[in-house]
Amino acid sequence: DGGITQSPKYLFRKEGQNVTLSCEQNLNHDAMYWYRQDPGQGLRLIYYSQIVNDFQKGDIAEGYSVSREKKESFPLTVTSAQKNPTAFYLCASSIGRAGSGANVLTFGAGSRLTVL
Amino acid sequence: QQQVKQSPQSLIVQKGGISIINCAYENTAFDYFPWYQQFPGKGPALLIAIRPDVSEKKEGRFTISFNKSAKQFSLHIMDSQPGDSATYFCAARDRTNAGKSTFGDGTTLTVKP
Repeated sequence: DGGITQSPKYLFRKEGQNVTLSCEQNLNHDAMYWYRQDPGQGLRLIYYSQIVNDFQKGDIAEGYSVSREKKESFPLTVTSAQKNPTAFYLCASSIGRAGSGANVLTFGAGSRLTVL
Repeated sequence: QQQVKQSPQSLIVQKGGISIINCAYENTAFDYFPWYQQFPGKGPALLIAIRPDVSEKKEGRFTISFNKSAKQFSLHIMDSQPGDSATYFCAARDRTNAGKSTFGDGTTLTVKP
C-alpha cells in the first residue's frame, strides 16, 4: 500500500538534545512538507520541499532543519534552538510542484515529541 | 494575520443532526479548498474539496458550499453519526505561493448517540 511512514510515533527528548524525525513516502510524490500541530492552533508549516536537494522555510522554521537527498525521504531535525518543541509533528506529501493543479496533501500518522 | 478563519472551535451535535463548519478567507490567490478529517492520534485525511468556480460539491453525507463573492465556504455533514466525531480542518491553496496550503485552526466535532 502506498503511503507515508513517520517514525518514531512517540519520542522523548531532554532539553539541549537534537532529535530527528523520519518521514518516508512511496507515493512517488514530488513535494513533501512538515507541519507542527499544537492544540487549538491548527497546522503550521515548518519546511517544505518541491524537489530533491531543494527545500524552503515555512512559517515557523526557526529551530528546525531538514534535508531532501532522496525523493522518498524528508527527515526533520528538531534542534536545541527550538524553545518549545513539544508538539505533534506531521509529514505530508503531494503530487506536483507549484502551479501544477490541485495539490491534495497526504499525511503520515504523525510523531509526538515530548521534551522532558 | 490568520489567512483562513474557521468556526466554531468545537461543535456538539445529536446523532442524525446536521453539522455545519464555516471558514472565511481574504486572499484571492487561493484556488483550491480542501477539508481534512483527523481522528485522535492520527494524521489528517482528505475528506472533500472544491474549486472556486463551483458553488457546491456533495459526496455522500458531506457537502461543501462555496460563496466566492463573500470569500466563505462551509462543510455540512448530514445525518451526523458518532463515527463522524473528529477534528475537521478547512484549508486553502495559494497558487502564487508555491502552492502551499494554509489551514484553519480546526473544529472538534462530537456527535452524541
